[in-house]
Amino acid sequence: ETGVTQTPRHLVMGMTNKKSLKCEQHLGHNAMYWYKQSAKKPLELMFVYSLEERVENNSVPSRFSPECPNSSHLFLHLHTLQPEDSALYLCASSQDTGRSGNTIYFGEGSWLTVV
Amino acid sequence: AQSVTQLGSHVSVSEGALVLLRCNYSSSVPPYLFWYVQYPNQGLQLLLKYTSAATLVKGINGFEAEFKKSETSFHLTKPSAHMSDAAEYFCAVRGGSQGNLIFGKGTKLSVKP
Repeated sequence: ETGVTQTPRHLVMGMTNKKSLKCEQHLGHNAMYWYKQSAKKPLELMFVYSLEERVENNSVPSRFSPECPNSSHLFLHLHTLQPEDSALYLCASSQDTGRSGNTIYFGEGSWLTVV
Repeated sequence: AQSVTQLGSHVSVSEGALVLLRCNYSSSVPPYLFWYVQYPNQGLQLLLKYTSAATLVKGINGFEAEFKKSETSFHLTKPSAHMSDAAEYFCAVRGGSQGNLIFGKGTKLSVKP
């Protein structure tokens, strides 16, 4: 238990569906992240939020839409995805952004399959 | 730009043997380095980190890593492998414009009985 909880753990969706991934952190952190892990590429940063403000959008297609309503919750809204978007989506949190030695804590991930 | 390189996508050792997983970094400033482990169907768990204090860092589950500036390395070791160590291991540097983690490609460790 890392203090970062992701739901659902598994999601299968069609290319025309709209779904959302949810992340909640119980660590009192100020920064939250979405990473994508697929078989073909190393772990990729998607989005960074600091104090509920998006501070990084790593050239992610618009079919992925993040939302951070408060510092404890982070969502990833999904619509009109492609089969190549099938991957493990990892949420993470840390005390701060910026280059520091503070640990970034990860959730268990949400396995997404697009059919 | 900061980066890490993990040598060997797959390492296989016998139970009880030494585990050595290699990581080299590239950084123009003193780096903050991390090792994470990922067990099947799970997220990433921190093993240990280097934050410019002691160069020999001890982590969980008997793992340790030594920061060597002259070699730009941060290799992960464990004296005696256990079956439960079978997992994928990621080296990372905290960098980027927002201090996010920049990961290596990972090394999958197999442990033979």
